[in-house]
Amino acid sequence: GNSVTQMEGPVTLSEEAFLTINCTYTATGYPSLFWYVQYPGEGLQLLLKATKADDKGSNKGFEATYRKETTSFHLEKGSVQVSDSAVYFCALSGNYNQGGKLIFGQGTELSVKP
Amino acid sequence: GAVVSQHPSRVICKSGTSVKIECRSLDFQATTMFWYRQFPKKSLMLMATSNEGSKATYEQGVEKDKFLINHASLTLSTLTVTSAHPEDSSFYICSALRGDLTDTQYFGPGTRLTVL
Repeated sequence: GNSVTQMEGPVTLSEEAFLTINCTYTATGYPSLFWYVQYPGEGLQLLLKATKADDKGSNKGFEATYRKETTSFHLEKGSVQVSDSAVYFCALSGNYNQGGKLIFGQGTELSVKP
Repeated sequence: GAVVSQHPSRVICKSGTSVKIECRSLDFQATTMFWYRQFPKKSLMLMATSNEGSKATYEQGVEKDKFLINHASLTLSTLTVTSAHPEDSSFYICSALRGDLTDTQYFGPGTRLTVL
């Protein structure tokens, strides 16, 4: 079945450091891929998405490229800020006839120190 | 656009009582809503899929008689935790699928349930 694997956290970085959070997936068909961010005590916010191979999703300085050959969707940011401290979830969505269900990775906690 | 609200944000109840949580899509119609449960420092566990005007579809291992879901309109779904027990204490999050963007779920802010 479909699954998502993320690198384990917590990840601790200094402000302005480069961020990579790895995400790989297994899926049948052609899933859409997402990154969601969860700030403490809140729900999830959509950060970016990509719907087909080689698409690059980007938002707020974050970006991720849908790599079908490596089944990956790694999240990157060139210079993190303290305000980026949160938990990041990689997810995939199967075909619509699968009901739009999301399969989540386990989440990666990011802590950015000043 | 694509704002989802939940009410209440926090609730504390006594063991044995029932609690209702509302999930609303504020600026779009949601043909499908989802209910998740999240344990501390864990990922989201899908509990059920709620389609407007029909019975919810529950994931394996989720008690449908304990977690009652009603999707009464295209903008409202409710989750009622019946006869709550301390082990039901958790963070409950809903999401809504926009009818015109069928692969993007928008999440509510979550409801923290504490059962004493």
